[in-house]
Amino acid sequence: AQSVTQPDIHITVSEGASLELRCNYSYGATPYLFWYVQSPGQGLQLLLKYFSGDTLVQGIKGFEAEFKRSQSSFNLRKPSVHWSDAAEYFCAVGAGAGGSYIPTFGRGTSLIVHP
Amino acid sequence: NAGVTQTPKFQVLKTGQSMTLQCAQDMNHEYMSWYRQDPGMGLRLIHYSVGAGITDQGEVPNGYNVSRSTTEDFPLRLLSAAPSQTSVYFCASSYSGLAGSGSDTQYFGPGTRLTVL
Repeated sequence: AQSVTQPDIHITVSEGASLELRCNYSYGATPYLFWYVQSPGQGLQLLLKYFSGDTLVQGIKGFEAEFKRSQSSFNLRKPSVHWSDAAEYFCAVGAGAGGSYIPTFGRGTSLIVHP
Repeated sequence: NAGVTQTPKFQVLKTGQSMTLQCAQDMNHEYMSWYRQDPGMGLRLIHYSVGAGITDQGEVPNGYNVSRSTTEDFPLRLLSAAPSQTSVYFCASSYSGLAGSGSDTQYFGPGTRLTVL
């Protein structure tokens, strides 16, 4: 079965600083990979996803992520963080066959942004 | 489009009570899912459906029941509520694949916060 590890429970950055959130997955074949953001009291919103092709994926709100097969990683990056980026971030892996593959979520990383 | 809607937003139950969490989508999505979110646990899949009349269990199905009589609705039933079911419940839907696809996205509802006393 697939699994996802987000090693950092909390990350604190200053506004304007760069950001990298780590995500490692475990799956025997090529996975589908996702990053979601959850603002307080809200549902999840997709930031970006990797299904195939270019391993550097661009998403919404200025985020990007890079799939590195050799490291089983899919880290999320942003060059300059804004106060509004403070939220919970979830990495997920989708694995299986056909359209019914099951997504598995990591435990999340809480991003705190200092002014 | 209203997207994915969930009712109620908040609910308090006593142990042993039953209730139904409602989920509806107006995007004609075939795939629908129920997740629960607990602190430090991320989201865990409870049940899912790949189309009307077809449901299957996820990672944590015990104590929950689902049915899918229409494309739009996917209610989650708690048969006999227990304190361990205190959680935030999210419904999600997508057009192709449980988590979407290369050209599709999984959409989440705003959640139902359930407390079982």
